[in-house]
Amino acid sequence: DAGVIQSPRHEVTEMGQEVTLRCKPISGHNSLFWYRQTMMRGLELLIYFNNNVPIDDSGMPEDRFSAKMPNASFSTLKIQPSEPRDSAVYFCASSWDRGFHEQYFGPGTRLTVT
Amino acid sequence: SQQGEEDPQALSIQEGENATMNCSYKTSINNLQWYRQNSGRGLVHLILIRSNEREKHSGRLRVTLDTSKKSSSLLITASRAADTASYFCATGGSYIPTFGRGTSLIVHP
Repeated sequence: DAGVIQSPRHEVTEMGQEVTLRCKPISGHNSLFWYRQTMMRGLELLIYFNNNVPIDDSGMPEDRFSAKMPNASFSTLKIQPSEPRDSAVYFCASSWDRGFHEQYFGPGTRLTVT
Repeated sequence: SQQGEEDPQALSIQEGENATMNCSYKTSINNLQWYRQNSGRGLVHLILIRSNEREKHSGRLRVTLDTSKKSSSLLITASRAADTASYFCATGGSYIPTFGRGTSLIVHP
């Protein structure tokens, strides 16, 4: 198995532009998590999906952030419009079931908004 | 909040020495997990200890859990330069994991 796949690995964009981050979880996993990591705030959970349904999005910072999971093998995190304070590393992780199980993290997308 | 907090924030040791890092949390948990993050990489799961377990081993890793003190420790024995990384504890009561800020470990060859 290739593990969790994220794209792009690096994204540099200008303030005000739309950014879309993509994630392919491990096949067979039915829980998917989006995290944001910064030096200031550490690792923050943004949203959690189970069986493609958003269960908890209380970590999404503002309406500029949205996430979708149209099927079991694909999820997107969109920021529109982007701002410099959105600069961070965004991780996608998946696990095999609902509940607090071992999570498998992708390599992350390093987003820089200028 | 169930957020785990690791201590110390940074640890620097020589190869061959043992490294101990601690995690404290605030509310009851179902289990506690430790992860490693190498620079520029995603987190990698190391070990999970359930709330009814007191100690668990995996290779050179030893994890203890004291639910009465709401704390856990991760011991890495006979450290290697390759163990240089950040180590995070994650606590969870249901399905929402909460990660601490991590301990940055540097092992000097």
